[in-house]
Amino acid sequence: AQTVTQSQPEMSVQEAETVTLSCTYDTSESDYYLFWYKQPPSRQMILVIRQEAYKQQNATENRFSVNFQKAAKSFSLKISDSQLGDAAMYFCAYTGTASKLTFGTGTRLQVTL
Amino acid sequence: DGGITQSPKYLFRKEGQNVTLSCEQNLNHDAMYWYRQDPGQGLRLIYYSQIVNDFQKGDIAEGYSVSREKKESFPLTVTSAQKNPTAFYLCASSIGQGVTAQYFGPGTRLLVL
Repeated sequence: AQTVTQSQPEMSVQEAETVTLSCTYDTSESDYYLFWYKQPPSRQMILVIRQEAYKQQNATENRFSVNFQKAAKSFSLKISDSQLGDAAMYFCAYTGTASKLTFGTGTRLQVTL
Repeated sequence: DGGITQSPKYLFRKEGQNVTLSCEQNLNHDAMYWYRQDPGQGLRLIYYSQIVNDFQKGDIAEGYSVSREKKESFPLTVTSAQKNPTAFYLCASSIGQGVTAQYFGPGTRLLVL
């Protein structure tokens, strides 16, 4: 079975600074996707960024980028130029051939002035 | 606007009562999913459906039932057999089987009176 681990329950970053959220996963599959989802206080899950396992290039979406280390099974999220609106729970998630999403337990990100 | 809608936003259940949560999507997605989120935790899969008239149990299906009579709709019934139904319920959809991203609705908060 696949597992996703987020070892940082909470993180804090100052506005305009950079923060990195960690995620590790375990799988025996070769074809899979990894995702970062954001859950603001409204509680709707918003897709932030995705990474296909077969792509070596790290995904980037504006201020959000990932560091995908396939051999180490590591998938961290970097948020640059942090904004107050980035404050939320961030979930790392995995999906493989079973088409099911497996989520980590989340990291709560606080953004301070 | 294309998207996923869930209703109601809040739902109250009396002891011994069955309640049904609605999920509708107009994204023309084949696959739909139901997740449960408890405070401070990630999402856990209840049921999923990859095509009309077919669905599979997820990790915590006991006490829940679903139907998939139309591509656009995937209602979830919380039965009286579910002894701890208080949670936040999220519906999601994806293009189809395999390694694809899931997109989420705004959620339904279920409370037991």
